[in-house]
Amino acid sequence: NAGVTQTPKFQVLKTGQSMTLQCAQDMNHEYMSWYRQDPGMGLRLIHYSVGAGITDQGEVPNGYNVSRSTTEDFPLRLLSAAPSQTSVYFCASSYGTGEPYNEQFFGPGTRLTVL
Amino acid sequence: KQEVTQIPAALSVPEGENLVLNCSFTDSAIYNLQWFRQDPGKGLTSLLLIQSSQREQTSGRLNASLDKSSGRSTLYIAASQPGDSATYLCAVRRRGSQGNLIFGKGTKLSVKP
Repeated sequence: NAGVTQTPKFQVLKTGQSMTLQCAQDMNHEYMSWYRQDPGMGLRLIHYSVGAGITDQGEVPNGYNVSRSTTEDFPLRLLSAAPSQTSVYFCASSYGTGEPYNEQFFGPGTRLTVL
Repeated sequence: KQEVTQIPAALSVPEGENLVLNCSFTDSAIYNLQWFRQDPGKGLTSLLLIQSSQREQTSGRLNASLDKSSGRSTLYIAASQPGDSATYLCAVRRRGSQGNLIFGKGTKLSVKP
């Protein structure tokens, strides 16, 4: 198993540009989520999905869109990048949300800089 | 609102020492608590997961305990090694949430040879 994979590893954008951060998992996990990590703020939830076709907002959803058309993939779209979106983005997944399937596994992250 | 606090923010110990990292949370209504390790510039590696019905979990030199009534968890690392140097994060999954984790800001551990 490759686990949770994220692409790209690094990205630099100009203000106003759009892009999609890719996340994929090959573990047949139903639950997937996106977090951002900022110095002094810790990790904060952006969006999550409990299965294909089902998504919901987390703590900091503004400026981001998600969709879940397959179990494997959960892309995060930045609609119009702003400097405040400079951060490290992590994707996570788990088999389910109940015991004993709720251990969450994280991808290696995407480091995004918006100029 | 669930808040997770980790103290200390940074810790430096000599190699071989046993150590304890602390995590506290404000709302005892949790599904589980998970400890992660993060190396500089890397992702999060899951170390231990404690379900709300459990009191502790062990993996090798690591032991994590959970006391929901007091809102505390500890991560015990035995016989520390320089390779244990990393940031350790704890996260709780709040009851009523869909699996969403609330993270502490981490303890940065440095083990000196």
